[in-house]
Amino acid sequence: NAGVMQNPRHLVRRRGQEARLRCSPMKGHSHVYWYRQLPEEGLKFMVYLQKENIIDESGMPKERFSAEFPKEGPSILRIQQVVRGDSAAYFCASSPQGASSGANVLTFGAGSRLTVL
Amino acid sequence: DAKTTQPNSMESNEEEPVHLPCNHSTISGTDYIHWYRQLPSQGPEYVIHGLTSNVNNRMASLAIAEDRKSSTLILHRATLRDAAVYYCILRASGGSNYKLTFGKGTLLTVNP
Repeated sequence: NAGVMQNPRHLVRRRGQEARLRCSPMKGHSHVYWYRQLPEEGLKFMVYLQKENIIDESGMPKERFSAEFPKEGPSILRIQQVVRGDSAAYFCASSPQGASSGANVLTFGAGSRLTVL
Repeated sequence: DAKTTQPNSMESNEEEPVHLPCNHSTISGTDYIHWYRQLPSQGPEYVIHGLTSNVNNRMASLAIAEDRKSSTLILHRATLRDAAVYYCILRASGGSNYKLTFGKGTLLTVNP
């Protein structure tokens, strides 16, 4: 019963390159959330997706960042033309339920640590 | 999510109980109280949640004040592995409660 799987665990990119972070939710979970944790800062919500739908992307930077959760396969967080300020830990979480229940519990992955040189 | 207030840091000795406080004076009737923790270099981990009654699970206990304006996470016997940042979060039903809002949390240090 694997948990939330994120890969790669560590990714190094040069400025201007693209970064793709993948997240496979827990079995049976159809809701995915992405969070970012900048060095020495707290976790910030980025985006909430259900299968094939972006529900809320209010925490995503307006440019260069995109997310998807296709019908088949993992959720992808894509960062185009990375800059040094994108260096952070990116965490994915999943849940079996959406926003309707305050008892909804999120299961987090171990994170993907992006370093931009 | 409604605001919570936690001490920045706390210290404990191994094998002793730890009481981590959280104030949430603006809590509404439908807000659940959730606790997560984040061990160094790891993702957040769910610990426990409750609405009105005290709750126990294999990891911890949650004591909720009668007026629900505060709660306490209790680790019965701290181990070195419990050293982490502990987050107290309120989650309402419906609306945009999926935006689990993390504050600064309490950094728990466990001394051997």
